[in-house]
Amino acid sequence: GAVVSQHPSRVICKSGTSVKIECRSLDFQATTMFWYRQFPKQSLMLMATSNEGSKATYEQGVEKDKFLINHASLTLSTLTVTSAHPEDSSFYICSASSRANTEAFFGQGTRLTVV
Amino acid sequence: AQTVTQSQPEMSVQEAETVTLSCTYDTSESDYYLFWYKQPPSRQMILVIRQEAYKQQNATENRFSVNFQKAAKSFSLKISDSQLGDAAMYFCAYKWGGSEKLVFGKGTKLTVNP
Repeated sequence: GAVVSQHPSRVICKSGTSVKIECRSLDFQATTMFWYRQFPKQSLMLMATSNEGSKATYEQGVEKDKFLINHASLTLSTLTVTSAHPEDSSFYICSASSRANTEAFFGQGTRLTVV
Repeated sequence: AQTVTQSQPEMSVQEAETVTLSCTYDTSESDYYLFWYKQPPSRQMILVIRQEAYKQQNATENRFSVNFQKAAKSFSLKISDSQLGDAAMYFCAYKWGGSEKLVFGKGTKLTVNP
């Protein structure tokens, strides 16, 4: 299957700072990328959908000014958590898909800890 | 709205035995796809098996097979000859043919006992 690389896998940041998470499709062009948040022992919660070259579509209840998503190319999407607070600590996962594939391919996830 | 329901928060199975994980979904669409994803402790999401709704034949991948009952909107996963490495969270997911968005169930935690 196709490979999606997510970086970093772990990050610790101070409260009030911003942190950027990258999601790259290594061997295919991803027309759409998705960002999820996963709390312990729970399912994946979709935060936003990003299409290359256009603004991301955020799910209800997700603050778009807090979670900035950029999808500047067909192989890269970034999620920036701005002015992070301890309650933003979570596991964030990206996935990428293209119209040529029926399945989505997932990154390894990023564990964010805000101290 | 499409929904996916996994009614078993936890399941356990003895090594080498067979276990079935349940999943039901609700949709009014006729063109859709169903998936089972595995999430081991590493938390990497791994595709186990997928089923196209238009296919009547149940999908099979080695020890993993599904029982796809379209009329009942049921999509269960059977794991045969369970191995210790099968221990993980299993998520059932739905995707409408006109969208790339996945709808996930809440997951079933599978424990494999030696």
